[in-house]
Amino acid sequence: QKEVEQNSGPLSVPEGAIASLNCTYSDRGSQSFFWYRQYSGKSPELIMFIYSNGDKEDGRFTAQLNKASQYVSLLIRDSQPSDSATYLCAAGRGDMRFGAGTRLTVKP
Amino acid sequence: NAGVTQTPKFQVLKTGQSMTLQCAQDMNHNSMYWYRQDPGMGLRLIYYSASEGTTDKGEVPNGYNVSRLNKREFSLRLESAAPSQTSVYFCASSENRVDTEAFFGQGTRLTVV
Repeated sequence: QKEVEQNSGPLSVPEGAIASLNCTYSDRGSQSFFWYRQYSGKSPELIMFIYSNGDKEDGRFTAQLNKASQYVSLLIRDSQPSDSATYLCAAGRGDMRFGAGTRLTVKP
Repeated sequence: NAGVTQTPKFQVLKTGQSMTLQCAQDMNHNSMYWYRQDPGMGLRLIYYSASEGTTDKGEVPNGYNVSRLNKREFSLRLESAAPSQTSVYFCASSENRVDTEAFFGQGTRLTVV
């Protein structure tokens, strides 16, 4: 079992909808959490990071962290076709462990 | 400012051959990482180096060795390549170990036949 688990998807949403991506982690020592976006054939790039319980908003993106439930989520509001990519959740605790990623497709 | 540079971008090896993947960063980062990415598996950590002079095993270290040559460079060596090591390899760096984002190189697509 991976230390960071994600639903592999694929997740498909219509343009303009909210996309909800979820992630759980097993190591309670994890201190920081990251969401990366990866387009096909490209390197991962950071979207957001979160360290404290609660919500963190950045434009159309909101990250949510619940350390008691060991749960991290990413909401994408007003989804655009350009958001179609694989989204990787990562937990940092000295090293950085990634989930398998969720493939998101936003249909025009 | 190049960020994280990996070489080579593509490589085909025969089973049993050896090779070294090179990685260099110009951001003065302390931590460096090597990941492999296989379909449906996400990024799996092979080795990491929290600081110059230190290296630690990650999730899948078997069949690999690493060297943190200096603060800038972190190499990954396959001593005797196996078809199971066919993958895309990413090098990454971050300012410190825990709470800063990792920046990734462009990846190396390795095929072992």
